[in-house]
Amino acid sequence: GESVGLHLPTLSVQEGDNSIINCAYSNSASDYFIWYKQESGKGPQFIIDIRSNMDKRQGQRVTVLLNKTVKHLSLQIAATQPGDSAVYFCAEILRTFYGQNFVFGPGTRLSVLP
Amino acid sequence: DTEVTQTPKHLVMGMTNKKSLKCEQHMGHRAMYWYKQKAKKPPELMFVYSYEKLSINESVPSRFSPECPNSSLLNLHLHALQPEDSALYLCASRGPSSNEQFFGPGTRLTVL
Repeated sequence: GESVGLHLPTLSVQEGDNSIINCAYSNSASDYFIWYKQESGKGPQFIIDIRSNMDKRQGQRVTVLLNKTVKHLSLQIAATQPGDSAVYFCAEILRTFYGQNFVFGPGTRLSVLP
Repeated sequence: DTEVTQTPKHLVMGMTNKKSLKCEQHMGHRAMYWYKQKAKKPPELMFVYSYEKLSINESVPSRFSPECPNSSLLNLHLHALQPEDSALYLCASRGPSSNEQFFGPGTRLTVL
């Protein structure tokens, strides 16, 4: 299940199950949305992006869904593996006169149970 | 080579010290970024360089001074930092036709 509190929200899933990580974004003018994975002691790693005029994009074992009506983004991971354990961040990209502005969401820790 | 390197890996400094963080990439990327990340928080954008020119400065205090000497290097000069500046400092680069940012492993900074 998912818990939200003073600590980083955590989602615990059984190995082999599908994971769904959710994110709410703030700016309806954002052009792109990105999901990152950050393992302990490492920098964030790009997973997948989606343009604001799309609803769905699929990658290898991952699917990103975008619902602009409610400003909601989700990342689905199929057949979750122990190596998927990490913190997942969504980010929105807003193009400004000065360049691209990346704004990260608060993050969700995914814990894969054996 | 799809790697962004950062040095040092760890840095401990006093509030009166001057130090520099270094970032290097050889992917030909012309956009480079500095982020600050506190524990259990998302990265916060500090600076963006595009074609060696500072294009975004997210109202960062002047005790942080970025420098982009060439298209492969990015420095962050630190002076008179405060203990609350202790964090993981991440560098990233991005190519011209992609949203994919490549992040380095970060420098863990502790200010005493």
